[in-house]
Amino acid sequence: DAGVIQSPRHEVTEMGQEVTLRCKPISGHDYLFWYRQTMMRGLELLIYFNNNVPIDDSGMPEDRFSAKMPNASFSTLKIQPSEPRDSAVYFCASSLRRTGEKTQYFGPGTRLLVL
Amino acid sequence: DQQVKQNSPSLSVQEGRISILNCDYTNSMFDYFLWYKKYPAEGPTFLISISSIKDKNEDGRFTVFLNKSAKHLSLHIVPSQPGDSAVYFCAASDSGTYKYIFGTGTRLKVLA
Repeated sequence: DAGVIQSPRHEVTEMGQEVTLRCKPISGHDYLFWYRQTMMRGLELLIYFNNNVPIDDSGMPEDRFSAKMPNASFSTLKIQPSEPRDSAVYFCASSLRRTGEKTQYFGPGTRLLVL
Repeated sequence: DQQVKQNSPSLSVQEGRISILNCDYTNSMFDYFLWYKKYPAEGPTFLISISSIKDKNEDGRFTVFLNKSAKHLSLHIVPSQPGDSAVYFCAASDSGTYKYIFGTGTRLKVLA
């Protein structure tokens, strides 16, 4: 059974360019999460969706970041314009609402470098 | 303001010995806690969890202990194996939400 799929795995871009990260959650999962990992701050939650609806975007750093989930099997995280301080590993995770369990399953991440 | 803290960025342990990783939290509303393991170039993978109604949960070589009064949890790995070398994240959640707050991680190195 396929896990969470993220693309691209690596992205190198120049400051000011638009970056789009993609995620396909595990089939049947109803929650989707976007995280950013940096050395200084560890794993930070950026935004999460339930049944394709954004529930909490309080972790989104600023207006340059936006996320969408047009359907249950696809989500995007967009940075426009990108800046060098956005360089990090971005993870997508999904989970299924079940009584007594909240396990999130993570994708392999996208390593973003903004020059 | 970090609600979940892992104060030891790294830990080295000899193979066969016990590894103890610690985590502190500040929010008394947290009632569900998890540990994730992360290898380089991979996403975090779920290891073990504990609800606040328990003070201990065991799964094979891995045991998580929860001390609610101290707002502290720990992960014990016995015996430690070289394959356990990874970064370990603790995470906390409250019953009103499905989101986690993660700590900054502890890098464990098990020496053969």
